[in-house]
Amino acid sequence: IAGITQAPTSQILAAGRRMTLRCTQDMRHNAMYWYRQDLGLGLRLIHYSNTAGTTGKGEVPDGYSVSRANTDDFPLTLASAVPSQTSVYFCASSGSTASSYNEQFFGPGTRLTVL
Amino acid sequence: AQSVSQHNHHVILSEAASLELGCNYSYGGTVNLFWYVQYPGQHLQLLLKYFSGDPLVKGIKGFEAEFIKSKFSFNLRKPSVQWSDTAEYFCAVNDSAGYDFGNEKLTFGTGTRLTIIP
Repeated sequence: IAGITQAPTSQILAAGRRMTLRCTQDMRHNAMYWYRQDLGLGLRLIHYSNTAGTTGKGEVPDGYSVSRANTDDFPLTLASAVPSQTSVYFCASSGSTASSYNEQFFGPGTRLTVL
Repeated sequence: AQSVSQHNHHVILSEAASLELGCNYSYGGTVNLFWYVQYPGQHLQLLLKYFSGDPLVKGIKGFEAEFIKSKFSFNLRKPSVQWSDTAEYFCAVNDSAGYDFGNEKLTFGTGTRLTIIP
């Protein structure tokens, strides 16, 4: 089934550790996004990529990095995790077609707890 | 910067009641508007979207929303809710004027939690 997969589903991490959240889409979408979802704050954009080889900063990029080596994969790395990065992380993708202009499709999320 | 306000943080309704969730945005130019729903334990799914044309848009599961440009609003409505509508609802706005391939960044509201009592 076409869509977005994220791994891991959940993770408990010690502060100071490095962590990479994986995201893969098979819809050949050009653009991909990482959001964090926190209670009372909704979804906030961390980083995005308009196309393979390019990335950009979103609303809350500090402490996170991304890469986009190919169309399908968009990993999010926490170089040195801190407790404030405890959140649910959603990956999304979008691509303009005749029937889905500007629509973003979301993955199932990764629940990350930093202790 | 674009901002989106959802004033109702938690709404509790009985089944068959009518629903209206408010959404206001700040950008005065061309916008694309979306409502997403997140059922408990699931990821976000698109309910409906507005790009242009008829300001009253119909979505899935009997939901609709009306774009009122003069009020910067895009309120979500449903005439008769069901227990299965219990979820969190997010309004989102994209302010990329016109066609900007591959740059559909969204700004989300903080969400409205809807609880339907059987």
